[in-house]
Amino acid sequence: DQQVKQNSPSLSVQEGRISILNCDYTNSMFDYFLWYKKYPAEGPTFLISISSIKDKNEDGRFTVFLNKSAKHLSLHIVPSQPGDSAVYFCAASGEGSQGNLIFGKGTKLSVKP
Amino acid sequence: KAGVTQTPRYLIKTRGQQVTLSCSPISGHRSVSWYQQTPGQGLQFLFEYFSETQRNKGNFPGRFSGRQFSNSRSEMNVSTLELGDSALYLCASSRGQGLDTQYFGPGTRLTVL
Repeated sequence: DQQVKQNSPSLSVQEGRISILNCDYTNSMFDYFLWYKKYPAEGPTFLISISSIKDKNEDGRFTVFLNKSAKHLSLHIVPSQPGDSAVYFCAASGEGSQGNLIFGKGTKLSVKP
Repeated sequence: KAGVTQTPRYLIKTRGQQVTLSCSPISGHRSVSWYQQTPGQGLQFLFEYFSETQRNKGNFPGRFSGRQFSNSRSEMNVSTLELGDSALYLCASSRGQGLDTQYFGPGTRLTVL
């Protein structure tokens, strides 16, 4: 059973608009969440993270929101740029499982000029 | 700081052979985790090494093994290769303590014929 789910396999957004990528999790023991961006045949690149004691974290154009009661997090990219086109992975880890990230299946974002 | 490096980048092997992949972590990082990425299963955790000890292990058969050296460099070995082992193998390094961000290498693309 998937512990981390990204229910949208793909998302298409116009350049300059907001991109919202969603992620749901089932394990309430997760206490750290991360977003990675990945191009084909390359390793994932870390974007932004959030610990379970926070509900929001910002870094430039990227903001991650965490709703613990709903076991849901989202990544907002504002404004979206064509260079943001990639596959975005949500990942989670919990105390006692250091080094073991549980990944969602990814969402392919396409930003159209 | 130099990033995570992996060698080789590409490998072609035949069924029944064995293979060794290498990973050099970011300087100062003591944890190295290995992941397998396939189109069907996504990114799956293989194992994690911290201070030369395997600290966590995923749900993979015993044909998959690893080790870590005193300089934190890590190797992963797959014996008796099967066609289904064809995948992108990624390693990630981190400090290995607390809320920890993993940084990924570019991966090794293994093709088993």
